[in-house]
Amino acid sequence: DQQVKQNSPSLSVQEGRISILNCDYTNSMFDYFLWYKKYPAEGPTFLISISSIKDKNEDGRFTVFLNKSAKHLSLHIVPSQPGDSAVYFCAASGGSQGNLIFGKGTKLSVKP
Amino acid sequence: SAVISQKPSRDICQRGTSLTIQCQVDSQVTMMFWYRQQPGQSLTLIATANQGSEATYESGFVIDKFPISRPNLTFSTLTVSNMSPEDSSIYLCSTQEGGYGYTFGSGTRLTVV
Repeated sequence: DQQVKQNSPSLSVQEGRISILNCDYTNSMFDYFLWYKKYPAEGPTFLISISSIKDKNEDGRFTVFLNKSAKHLSLHIVPSQPGDSAVYFCAASGGSQGNLIFGKGTKLSVKP
Repeated sequence: SAVISQKPSRDICQRGTSLTIQCQVDSQVTMMFWYRQQPGQSLTLIATANQGSEATYESGFVIDKFPISRPNLTFSTLTVSNMSPEDSSIYLCSTQEGGYGYTFGSGTRLTVV
């Protein structure tokens, strides 16, 4: 059973608009959530994270929202740029020394 | 953050053979992880490798199939043994520094024919 789910395999957005990527999790022991961005032929690179003690974290154009009661988090990219086109992975961890549990990823395409 | 050099970047291998993937880190790290991403699937942890001890494998992965070496704090290898087409995947190594500082290698795209 998947503990971290990204139900949208792909998303297409017009340049300048908002991109919203969603992620759901099932394990209530997760206390740290991360978003990674992956370009073809490259490893995932860290984008933004959020601790379970917060409900929002913002870094420039990227904002992550966490709804613990719904076990849901989302990544907002505003404004979206063509260079944001990549696969975005949601990941969760249950402790600072634990491994990451990944979703399947959402492929974002930002059209000029 | 650490920088990881992963080799090879891709390979096409005959079934029944083995491939060893290497990850070199530019700094000493305690924990290294090996992940696999099969087509259409999420990144799945294969094993955790700490220097000086045997790797810890996740459910569904065994040492005979995926032997791992961790001779020092900057290097690790993963071998995919006796390959079959089902082993065709992207394999990634990752390190962790100080809490949640995860860094990934660039990946190895393996195709088994």
